[in-house]
Amino acid sequence: KQEVTQIPAALSVPEGENLVLNCSFTDSAIYNLQWFRQDPGKGLTSLLLIQSSQREQTSGRLNASLDKSSGRSTLYIAASQPGDSATYLCAVMDSSYKLIFGSGTRLLVRP
Amino acid sequence: GAGVSQSPSNKVTEKGKDVELRCDPISGHTALYWYRQSLGQGLEFLIYFQGNSAPDKSGLPSDRFSAERTGGSVSTLTIQRTQQEDSAVYLCASSDDSASDSPLHFGNGTRLTVT
Repeated sequence: KQEVTQIPAALSVPEGENLVLNCSFTDSAIYNLQWFRQDPGKGLTSLLLIQSSQREQTSGRLNASLDKSSGRSTLYIAASQPGDSATYLCAVMDSSYKLIFGSGTRLLVRP
Repeated sequence: GAGVSQSPSNKVTEKGKDVELRCDPISGHTALYWYRQSLGQGLEFLIYFQGNSAPDKSGLPSDRFSAERTGGSVSTLTIQRTQQEDSAVYLCASSDDSASDSPLHFGNGTRLTVT
């Protein structure tokens, strides 16, 4: 059974800092890995999708990497801003097209 | 263009009543997912549709839960004889197919409260 774990559960940093969020998964038979952000009371917003054959994806200040063999992904946020404060969720799409989510990392960027 | 639309946004119901939650996916999206998010918890997979068929119903918590999708578009999630533990935010998502390069687009959810 696929399990997705995110570390840390919560993170508080000063504005401008670069930071790394970690995601690990137990079964490497995945189609893709997706990172989302969720703001309080809202749905999820897709940030990045990395296909199983890819190693990384970049969008603006965000960079996500994937090491499928070791079951790990990282989301790197450069020059963090208060508007980045949200919960970041990692999810893997398994062989039956089910997207399995981690519990998320709650990020607070202090002005 | 419009995103994924869910209605109602909030629903308060008495224990034992039936409720119906609606999801309008992005036009043309063939894959549709339902998830449940309880307070302070992660997202729990409920059911997945490809077109009108549901290849994976493994996440439905009990036989009180059912879902259907008609015309490859709108989906409804029905909870019969609601219980207090059914209180949660129910999220719907769609993607243009189940291929590996299609991200999921989520609606804002329906917050269900069972009193």
